[in-house]
This record gives sequence, structure tokens and C-alpha cells, in this order.
Amino acid sequence: SSELTQDPAVSVALGQTVRITCQGDSLRSYYASWYQQKPGQAPVLVVYGNNNRPSGIPDRFSGSNSGDTASLTLTGAQAEDEADYHCNSRDASGNYTVFGGGTKLTVL
Amino acid sequence: QVQLQESGPGLVKVSETLSLTCNVSGGSISDYYWNWIRQPPGKGLDWIGHIYYNGDTNYNPSLKSRVSISLDTSKNQFSLKMNSVTAADTAVYYCARGLWPNWNYHDYWGQGTLVTVSS
Repeated sequence: SSELTQDPAVSVALGQTVRITCQGDSLRSYYASWYQQKPGQAPVLVVYGNNNRPSGIPDRFSGSNSGDTASLTLTGAQAEDEADYHCNSRDASGNYTVFGGGTKLTVL
Repeated sequence: QVQLQESGPGLVKVSETLSLTCNVSGGSISDYYWNWIRQPPGKGLDWIGHIYYNGDTNYNPSLKSRVSISLDTSKNQFSLKMNSVTAADTAVYYCARGLWPNWNYHDYWGQGTLVTVSS
């Protein structure tokens, strides 16, 4: 099992706000990053350093971190946001990269 | 615009060695960490390891005994070798550019290549 824990599935109504969480002890000390992955495609970085967006990522995506939990918030979900979302940080020792198990987001 | 492209056999036999190469274009291989990440069918992402442009490597402890990552700066390429493969190594393999250790994220990814391990 991963050292970063994510809910397997989350749903949100079109236009509403949803928060996807990632829990792990290492998040108290290290940055989290988030990736969006659509079927058959490579992951795309949407948030890094807890709350920074790469160029080209819509501002409806935002990140935060509190204690052992990192969150990705989607404000005003669109149909095209339906995808798997993966969190990423370090393991508890701080020596290695780890990913969460991924959360499947359904936009209703 | 940095682009990464994986190449290598799509089918490997059980107990043999998986070999993949990632070609990096549109940017220098310097000052970054170059990663291999895999995704078994229907599952999450699994970090395999990375190599820094100076040749330093770091591997997932669960795979360390079977994995080797190397770098060819003259060709702007890096490679993965995984020996003694089993069906559990069947996955889409991605190469990705990473920033580490102060940050921890992967900003450019290849499209991925499916490697199937069969007998």
C-alpha cells in the first residue's frame, strides 16, 4: 500500500466545487504535487509545491496543505475535468518519491 | 518546449530484461532529475527511480535489486533496464523530467509505452 492515501473515487455536480485529498505523514515536511490523467493519456502536472499552478493550468485548480493532508480543490468543475488525479510527494524517510493511489473524479 | 519520447520492445518474456530509452528534445538534460515511472493496467503510478544529470541515481527500494538507470548526455537520452521480469511488471512505462529534492514534481512526461511481460 502507498504511503500517500487517496479516496478511490469522488463525484461532483457540474459547476460545483470539489476537494480531493491526499494523506500521509511525509506531507508534514515535504511539498505535494498533483497530476491529472485522462484515459489513455500521460499524467499532466496541475499543482506543484503545494499550491502553485504551471503555466496553462486553469485557475479553477488550486492546492493547499494542512498538517498531514494535502488537498486539490476544483472550483466550478467542468465536464473536461473528469479524470484520475494523483498526488505525489516523498516517502516518510524523505529519500524517495511516492505517489498516492489516485482518485477518480466523476463530474455529474 | 521540452518533449520526451519512450522507445523499446513492447513485449518481454518472463525472466528476461526489460530495456527502454527516453529521448529528450527541446531542452538540455542538465540540472534536472530524469525519472522512470510505471502504471500497471487499471492501477496507480509507481515511481521506479531517477538519475541526475551528473549520474547520481536513486531507486524505489522495492525495485532496487532489479533496476538500473543510465544517462547518455551526448545523445540527450536516458535508459532503464529491469531484469528478471515477471507478469507483475506489465505496465505502461513513462519517462518524466523531475525537480528534486527541494521540490518534488514532474513537469514533462513522455506519452508512455506499454510493456507486456509474457511467457
